[in-house]
Amino acid sequence: AQTVTQSQPEMSVQEAETVTLSCTYDTSESDYYLFWYKQPPSRQMILVIRQEAYKQQNATENRFSVNFQKAAKSFSLKISDSQLGDAAMYFCAYRSSNTNAGKSTFGDGTTLTVKP
Amino acid sequence: EPEVTQTPSHQVTQMGQEVILRCVPISNHLYFYWYRQILGQKVEFLVSFYNNEISEKSEIFDDQFSVERPDGSNFTLKIRSTKLEDSAMYFCASSEGLLRDTFGSGTRLTVV
Repeated sequence: AQTVTQSQPEMSVQEAETVTLSCTYDTSESDYYLFWYKQPPSRQMILVIRQEAYKQQNATENRFSVNFQKAAKSFSLKISDSQLGDAAMYFCAYRSSNTNAGKSTFGDGTTLTVKP
Repeated sequence: EPEVTQTPSHQVTQMGQEVILRCVPISNHLYFYWYRQILGQKVEFLVSFYNNEISEKSEIFDDQFSVERPDGSNFTLKIRSTKLEDSAMYFCASSEGLLRDTFGSGTRLTVV
């Protein structure tokens, strides 16, 4: 079974600075998808960024980028120019590409605090 | 942007009672999911639904749970006899494919 590990329960960053959230996963599959979700205090899960494992290029969405290291099974999220609105819980998630309606497996989450 | 709508936002129920959590997925989506999150903890997969049948379910999704898509638009999760440990946030999600799930705002279920 796939597992997702987020080793940082809490992180903090100064406004306008850069922070990196770590995620590692365990799988025997070669094709899969990885996601970062943001969960603000409103509790809604919001997709931040995704990566398809067959793509070597790291995904980027505005201030959010990932460092995808397939061999190391590592998928970290970098937030540049942090803003107060980035404060939230961030979840890393894995999904196999081999099944229809495949489940996502989530990590335990990292709570990000942004200091003004 | 289209949304996944969940109702109610908060439900309080007595232990042993049946509850139905409702979700309206995005209209052209084909894949539907239920997840739950015990307060402050990780998000756990319950069940996925595709082509009018369950595609995959977790160990949590035992005989007390069932899902239905009764009218082609709503997607419901029923818990037949609630337990205290069923208290959690329940999220519905839908997607066109495997690359982008849209989550609803969740239903907070409190079992007393």
